[in-house]
Order: sequence, then C-alpha cells, then structure tokens
Amino acid sequence: QQQVKQSPQSLIVQKGGISIINCAYENTAFDYFPWYQQFPGKGPALLIAIRPDVSEKKEGRFTISFNKSAKQFSLHIMDSQPGDSATYFCAAGRYNFNKFYFGSGTKLNVKP
Amino acid sequence: NAGVTQTPKFRVLKTGQSMTLLCAQDMNHEYMYWYRQDPGMGLRLIHYSVGEGTTAKGEVPDGYNVSRLKKQNFLLGLESAAPSQTSVYFCASSSPGQLSSYNEQFFGPGTRLTVL
Repeated sequence: QQQVKQSPQSLIVQKGGISIINCAYENTAFDYFPWYQQFPGKGPALLIAIRPDVSEKKEGRFTISFNKSAKQFSLHIMDSQPGDSATYFCAAGRYNFNKFYFGSGTKLNVKP
Repeated sequence: NAGVTQTPKFRVLKTGQSMTLLCAQDMNHEYMYWYRQDPGMGLRLIHYSVGEGTTAKGEVPDGYNVSRLKKQNFLLGLESAAPSQTSVYFCASSSPGQLSSYNEQFFGPGTRLTVL
C-alpha cells in the first residue's frame, strides 16, 4: 500500500513558468511533509518542508501548499529555471519518529 | 566534514553472491537509514537504526540485513543477491530534536548495484 501518491511522473515547463507537483497521503497521523530535490547522480537533498499548523510555506521561488482536510500538499516552483531541472520527491511522516514515506518522484525538465 | 559517504559507488554481482554496502557519517547523527530507489517507485525504506546497536525493519526489508555496531557506520548486507535487488541504494542520517524546524535526513551519493 503506497503511503504517499505523487503526480505527475514527469513535467516539462518553459523557463519562467510555474511548476506544480502534487502529493496525497492517507495516514492522518502524519505531521511532517518535506520535499526533496535530486540531481542526476546525486543523493536527494531537503528543499523545503511544512508542518500542518500552517497552510502554506514559502522559501524564495519554492512554495508548499497544504490542505489538511483533503490530505494533499503540493510544491509550486515560481519562475522556473533550467537549473531547477531535477527529480522532486514529496514525503510524509511523523516528525518525532524521524521516519518518512516518499512519493514516486517527479522528473522536472525546464526548457530554456 | 564529509557528511554521508557510501562505499562502493558501483558494483556488479552474480545471482547468489553476497556483499556488504558501507555507510559512514561524520555528523554524530543518531538515526541512520537505508533506502532503495527504483524507477517509478521513489525511495523505499529498507531498514533503519535509531542508535548504536539497534536496527528496525522498513517497508521492504526482505533479502537484506543490517548492522550498526558503531554510531557512525551502518552496514547493509545482501546474503544471496537476486536480480530483483538491482537498484540504487542510498544511505541517510538524521538527528532527533534538531534545532532547526526541519527534521532533515542527509543522504549519501548512492551505490548503483546490478545483479546479473
């Protein structure tokens, strides 16, 4: 049973456009939702994360939107740049348990 | 400060062979993890450890064993490799009660394993 469902599997966006990646989770006990960014040949690295006490978190061009009632959260990349081309993973879990379930990943390609 | 390192970077095994993947971290983290990454499947947790001498099963533990004899090292063993274990393996570490509001897992560069 997949704990976290992520879509789309791949995404092509023009430079300057908005990239949107969506995730949904089932377990209502989850209270921590990080996003990881992975470049080819590298390990994933934390990009941004949110706790359910807020509905949105913004860091630079990256924003997480969180809908607790729908059990969904999404990553928005504003003014997408070719350097943002990477695979993005959402994850969910219980903050104090330090153990997360990852989505299947979205490969983003930002065209110049 | 090397962060999380993994050895080896690449390995090719024949079915039935055994091997051990080594993960080391120099951040004094309590928690360590082993994941496998397969196309379309994301990252799946194999085993993890919340401290020296302790291990626990993750989502896909079958066919793997782990040991955490030292705080800085976490070993992943394959006793009898199968083609289904062809994957990229990532080690990660984290620390509970981090001062940052981010409960961050730090990942190594990965080991690409092919089982023929």
